[in-house]
Amino acid sequence: QVQLVQSGAEVKKPGASVKVSCKASGYTFTNNGISWVRQAPGQGLEWMGWISAFNGLTKYAQKLQGRVTLTTDTSTSTAYMELRSLRYDDTAVYYCARGYGDSVSLDYWGQGTLVTVSS
Amino acid sequence: QSALTQPASVSGSPGQSITISCTGTTSDVGGYDYVSWYQQYPGKAPKLMIYDVSNRPSGVSNRFSGSKSGNTASLTISGLQAEDEADYYCSSYTSSSTYVVFGGGTKLTVL
Repeated sequence: QVQLVQSGAEVKKPGASVKVSCKASGYTFTNNGISWVRQAPGQGLEWMGWISAFNGLTKYAQKLQGRVTLTTDTSTSTAYMELRSLRYDDTAVYYCARGYGDSVSLDYWGQGTLVTVSS
Repeated sequence: QSALTQPASVSGSPGQSITISCTGTTSDVGGYDYVSWYQQYPGKAPKLMIYDVSNRPSGVSNRFSGSKSGNTASLTISGLQAEDEADYYCSSYTSSSTYVVFGGGTKLTVL
């Protein structure tokens, strides 16, 4: 069965960086893209970016351009999201999710990783 | 402010039907058939309920259906059940630099 397992919760200081991992299993990793979506406490979903696990092509939300980098390691079927220059309003649960075929829909999601930015 | 507009809340009684709207522009909802709907319970990851406007993934109840007219997409839940009480989000491909946008979410209450 398809599973996306994310790394554990993080607490970071303002200005620091965080890198969240997302290990995929149960399917051929390079057949689907991976998107990252975050959700601030009590707020809605925010799309952050997408990466093709096949060729590494990326697309980023304009709001985060320059601060976020998505990468993959096909040898371990793992996707990574790095966010730099953290601010208090980056405090959120960060999700990875698998792209559904050629659609922009997301059919399998990780369990979420809470990133807290606090001094 | 979210790019797609959803009502903050809707409610219905068991057995009834409800519809949640999702309004965008010609750059997103109205221009492409790439609207998705997600269900999210508190503290849980979202679940895909509808993709590409009106398609249900395997395993999703046929009580859930999607449609689109102009710049507004809709999610209809028929035969409302207590377990349907959750937050619902729409999303769409957008030709803007953002690529994908979400609605602000709608809280469904089953009375």
